[in-house]
Amino acid sequence: DGGITQSPKYLFRKEGQNVTLSCEQNLNHDAMYWYRQDPGQGLRLIYYSQIVNDFQKGDIAEGYSVSREKKESFPLTVTSAQKNPTAFYLCASSIEGGRRETQYFGPGTRLLVL
Amino acid sequence: AQSVAQPEDQVNVAEGNPLTVKCTYSVSGNPYLFWYVQYPNRGLQFLLKYITGDNLVKGSYGFEAEFNKSQTSFHLKKPSALVSDSALYFCAVRDRGSGNTGKLIFGQGTTLQVKP
Repeated sequence: DGGITQSPKYLFRKEGQNVTLSCEQNLNHDAMYWYRQDPGQGLRLIYYSQIVNDFQKGDIAEGYSVSREKKESFPLTVTSAQKNPTAFYLCASSIEGGRRETQYFGPGTRLLVL
Repeated sequence: AQSVAQPEDQVNVAEGNPLTVKCTYSVSGNPYLFWYVQYPNRGLQFLLKYITGDNLVKGSYGFEAEFNKSQTSFHLKKPSALVSDSALYFCAVRDRGSGNTGKLIFGQGTTLQVKP
């Protein structure tokens, strides 16, 4: 988990509310990723960014948005359009977005719906 | 379609015995393969990866994995299991032929239970 921080550890969302999950890395990595983890389903890619001011949708981007204004930060917003947001959210980073690069993960944020 | 399968939801092994966690993959080209471990309510920790070269890859905490192209498998192994190895293990693959993207495809995970 070293070098990648996620906050908060737990987050509660009310109906119709947008919430933002923070991800910061001090590894000087170019590429950053957001995954969603549900029990028994492994991890699924939400968004990824290979460079500042650029990002691409993953497999389950609907109801989520991101920004990449700084190299070290890649916040994820869970919008009210995401009807089933309860999950464990994991941020990752790699030196670059190339295929051989190892992704390193943060400690995660658990999002719960009130 | 690209996919990764971990056929066992749970593997039980006695402490001191060898362990194997199975992984098979299906990709369009030659794969890059990864193993990660997750402890409860924690992020994933990188164990090892296969890129090219020797089919037997050694990683962290005494784990190793064997790449078998003909069987499209990448099983995780350890000669002597520890109780502290009990965790959730994920296999992941990245397709070399999918352009310069960092996208990982994960298996559904295998829970390893090591009993004293």
